[in-house]
Amino acid sequence: QVHLQESGPGLVKPSGTLSLTCAVSGDSISSDYWWSWVRQPPGKGLEWIGEIYHTGSTNYSPSLKSRVTISLDKSKNQFSLKLNSVTAADTAVYYCTRVPLVRGIFITALDCWGQGTLVTVSS
Amino acid sequence: EIVLTQSPGTLSLSPGERATLSCRASQSISSSYLGWYQQKPGQAPRLLIYGASSRATGIPDRFSGSESGTDFTLTISRLEPEDFAVYYCQQYGSSPRTFGQGTKVEIK
Repeated sequence: QVHLQESGPGLVKPSGTLSLTCAVSGDSISSDYWWSWVRQPPGKGLEWIGEIYHTGSTNYSPSLKSRVTISLDKSKNQFSLKLNSVTAADTAVYYCTRVPLVRGIFITALDCWGQGTLVTVSS
Repeated sequence: EIVLTQSPGTLSLSPGERATLSCRASQSISSSYLGWYQQKPGQAPRLLIYGASSRATGIPDRFSGSESGTDFTLTISRLEPEDFAVYYCQQYGSSPRTFGQGTKVEIK
């Protein structure tokens, strides 16, 4: 059974950098997935942040692209999110998730999610 | 960027009734790569439907998805008490992989 677990500071100061890690267990980070981050501000809807493929290729939301970096650590079987120059608008629950593929074809949608972690931006 | 517009914002129904949720895309979605998710308070979203009409593993058959051009529909044939939640559609055929704003299904 695949399990994704987010970790990182729950409080970040304005203008600082939000850093989160998603530990993957039960599967290899090198398998054929897009590993993704999604966030949800309190009381609001879901926002796709970006994703990384096992080759290291990335896609980002245009609205966040200038501030976000997603990376892989194959030695630790995890992937990470960095969002810099944060403001109160970045306060949200952050989820890590994945989309499986077979030979480049999506075989389902975001099928496995972490429990989410709340990050608050405040001084 | 593909914009997804969900309607209605809120659906007030009774257990046993049929729920019909809509998701309209601003342009064609590649290979019907449209998913539906259910989210309950304090929980992560759960995948219900992928590929516009395929049920995810373990999802009851009262949940069904359909498409007509750029219009997508999630139908819950008979609402169970555990089905009252917020539902999101998402297109994953092109980047950015956008979500709709959600439809809340509440008890009438």
